[in-house]
Order: sequence, then C-alpha cells, then structure tokens
Amino acid sequence: QSVLTQPPSPSGTPGQRVTISCSGSSSNIGSNTVNWYQQLPGTAPKLLIYSNDQRPSGVPDRFSGSKSGTSASLAISGLQSEDEADYHCATWDDSLNGPVFGGGTKLTVL
Amino acid sequence: QVQLVESEGGFVKPGGSLRLSCAASEFTFSDYYMSWIRQAPGKGLEWVSYISGRGNTKYYADSVKGRFTISRDNAKNALYLQMNSLRAEDTAVYYCARLLGACTSGRCSSFWFDSWGQGALVTVSS
Repeated sequence: QSVLTQPPSPSGTPGQRVTISCSGSSSNIGSNTVNWYQQLPGTAPKLLIYSNDQRPSGVPDRFSGSKSGTSASLAISGLQSEDEADYHCATWDDSLNGPVFGGGTKLTVL
Repeated sequence: QVQLVESEGGFVKPGGSLRLSCAASEFTFSDYYMSWIRQAPGKGLEWVSYISGRGNTKYYADSVKGRFTISRDNAKNALYLQMNSLRAEDTAVYYCARLLGACTSGRCSSFWFDSWGQGALVTVSS
C-alpha cells in the first residue's frame, strides 16, 4: 500500500481537462512540497511539476499543479493523445524520514 | 544535458547479491545528492536510498535497511547500490536519479528528482 493515495484509472477525450488527485496526511503533503512525474509506457519517469506548482523548462503550460492542506492535484488541460501515461505524485514524509510516492495513476486518452 | 546510465541488472537467486552502478555525466556530480528508486512490475515507484554529494550522509527505506548499501565515487562520477540478501520482493526496475532541493540533517522538505536513468531490471527468483 502506498503512503499517498491516487485514483486508479481516469480517462478523458482529446481537448478535455482532467485532474488527478493525490491524498496524504499531515506528516507528508501537509508539511512538505509535492512533485509530479509522468511515465510514458516503457520509459523512465520524467519530472513534470516540482514544489507544488512549478514547471521545469520544456513542460507545456497545459500541465499545472496545486496543493491544499493534505492533498495535491495535477491538472492537464487541452488533453492530447501523447498525454496517455502513468502519473506519480511524491513528497517527503516526516514520520518515515524519506520520500514517498503515490501508487500511480494511469491516464487513458479515449 | 544531464545523463545517467545504469549498468545492466540481472537475475539473482534469493539470498544472493548484486551491485548496480550508475554513470553520471554533463554535470558536476559531487555537487548533488543522488538516489535510487525502484518500481516492481506493474506497481508504483518506491524510494530506496539517497546519498549526499560528499557521500557522508546516507538514508535507506526500511524495506532495504541493513541489506542494501549506497555509495559513490566522485572521481569516477559513479553511483552504486550494493544489494545483499536479496528477496523475491526486491524484483524491480531500479532507477538512479539526481535529487534537487533543500536537504538539512537528513530531511528534505522540498525536493524533486529532476533527472532519471533508463532503469535496470533486477529479478530475484529461484
């Protein structure tokens, strides 16, 4: 069981806006910043969002992150077929004294 | 562009050992914390260990503590993971990753893994 909870398999159609949630607790998301990673099939994860809402250079502004209390969200607007991937949230956990990940969310573009 | 290239993984019997390496290039290796993260087949990501730039600070997930050892050779721009007493549940793709952010006394309140290797599959089975 992952420390952070993500929905299993959301889906969307091209052009749509989808949101992926990441739920934690006061010892992790409630106290620390959240990152998001995109993992295309058969490849290594790629940093998508860091420090809750910051995009690395090269990441389209269709991707945005937010955090409130013990939950965080990744929003993807103008959904494209190439967005079909697994998305993982991550943060630090003060109780476990290390990074923790969500179980991953497989996004399907219909 | 940051490059991280892991050595090939392997097939090991339960109780066996294996050492992974990760060759880093295109950045000043000794300036950065580095980490190992794994992903069991069909599962999510799991942090394994991280090490400070000088190698004097090391932390491990409880699931590998006492069995795995992380190390680095800054002269060779290389990161290592020595895995002993391997179990079936250690079967996974192992990624090395560069860790950015603010880490103080072993706590990284704001961190992210900005670059990842391609991964090395380790299979533990009899």
